[in-house]
Formats: sequence, C-alpha cells, structure tokens
Amino acid sequence: DQQVKQNSPSLSVQEGRISILNCDYTNSMFDYFLWYKKYPAEGPTFLISISSIKDKNEDGRFTVFLNKSAKHLSLHIVPSQPGDSAVYFCAARSGGSNYKLTFGKGTLLTVNP
Amino acid sequence: NAGVTQTPKFRVLKTGQSMTLLCAQDMNHEYMYWYRQDPGMGLRLIHYSVGEGTTAKGEVPDGYNVSRLKKQNFLLGLESAAPSQTSVYFCASRRTDYGYTFGSGTRLTVV
Repeated sequence: DQQVKQNSPSLSVQEGRISILNCDYTNSMFDYFLWYKKYPAEGPTFLISISSIKDKNEDGRFTVFLNKSAKHLSLHIVPSQPGDSAVYFCAARSGGSNYKLTFGKGTLLTVNP
Repeated sequence: NAGVTQTPKFRVLKTGQSMTLLCAQDMNHEYMYWYRQDPGMGLRLIHYSVGEGTTAKGEVPDGYNVSRLKKQNFLLGLESAAPSQTSVYFCASRRTDYGYTFGSGTRLTVV
C-alpha cells in the first residue's frame, strides 16, 4: 500500500514558466511533509517542508501548498530554471515515528531553455 | 564539513558474497537511516537507528543486518548477496527536527 503517491513520473516545462509537482497521501497520521531534490549520482537534498498545521510555506522561488482535506500537496517553482532539472521526491512523516520518512516514487522535472 | 559519507561508492558482488557498507556522519546526529532506491520505487527504508547501540527494522529489512557501535557510524551488511539486492543505497542522518542529510549513495550490483 503506497502511502505517498506521486502520480506523474515526469514533467517538462519551459524556462521561466511555473513548474507544479503534485503529491497525494493516504495516511491521516502524517504531520509533516518535505520535498527533496535529487540530481543523478548524488544523494537527495532537502528543499522545503511544511507542517500539517499550515497550508503554505514559501522559500524564494519554491512554494509548497498543503490541502489536508484532500490529502494533497504541491510544490510550485516560479520561475523555473534549467538548473531545477532533477528528480523531486515528496516525503511525509507521522508523529511519533522516530522521524522515519515515507517517500513517493519521485517526479523527473525537465526545464527546457 | 563532510556531512554524511558513504563508502564504497560502487561495488559489484557475486551472488552469495557478503559485504558491508559504511556510513559515517560528523554532525553528532542521533538518528541514522539506510534506504534503497530502485527504479520506479522511490526510496524505501531498510533499517534505522535512534542512537548508539540501537537498531530497528524499516520497510524492507530482509537480507540485511545493521550495527551502530559508534554514534558516528552506521553499517549495513549483506550476509549472502542476491540479485534482488542490486540497488542504490543511501544513508541519511537527521539534520534538523524534520529534515535528513543524505550521503551520495552506494551503487551495488549483484551478479
């Protein structure tokens, strides 16, 4: 049973436009959500996070939105840059879980110049 | 400031051979984790540790053992490697209350 789902394996956008990456979850006990970015041959790096008590968190060009009623979160990148091309993983943590994260399968974002 | 260091970076094993992957962190983190990444599967938790001398099973622990004898090191062992263990292995330690710092990975091929 996949608790964190990223249904789009890939996404292609033009430089300067908005990139929207989506993530759905099924576990109501998740209380914290994170996005990680991964380049080939490197480990994932933390990008942005959001607590379940908030509905939006912004950091520069990156904004994460959380819709708890729909169990849905999204990552917006504006404007998109070629250097943003990477695999993006959505992850979630449930309270009291020893900080274990459950990851989605990832979305490959390609930003075309 | 090395962060999380994984050794080796690449390894090819024959079926039935054993090996140990080493993860070292210099950030004095309590929590450490081993994940594997397979195509189309995302990252799946193998084992984790909440402190020196402790270990616990994750989502896919079968075929692996771990040890955390020192706080800075977390070892992942394969006693008898199988082709199904061909994967990229990532170690992580907890960077903040919620985020991880990952190593750069070990690419393991079992033939």
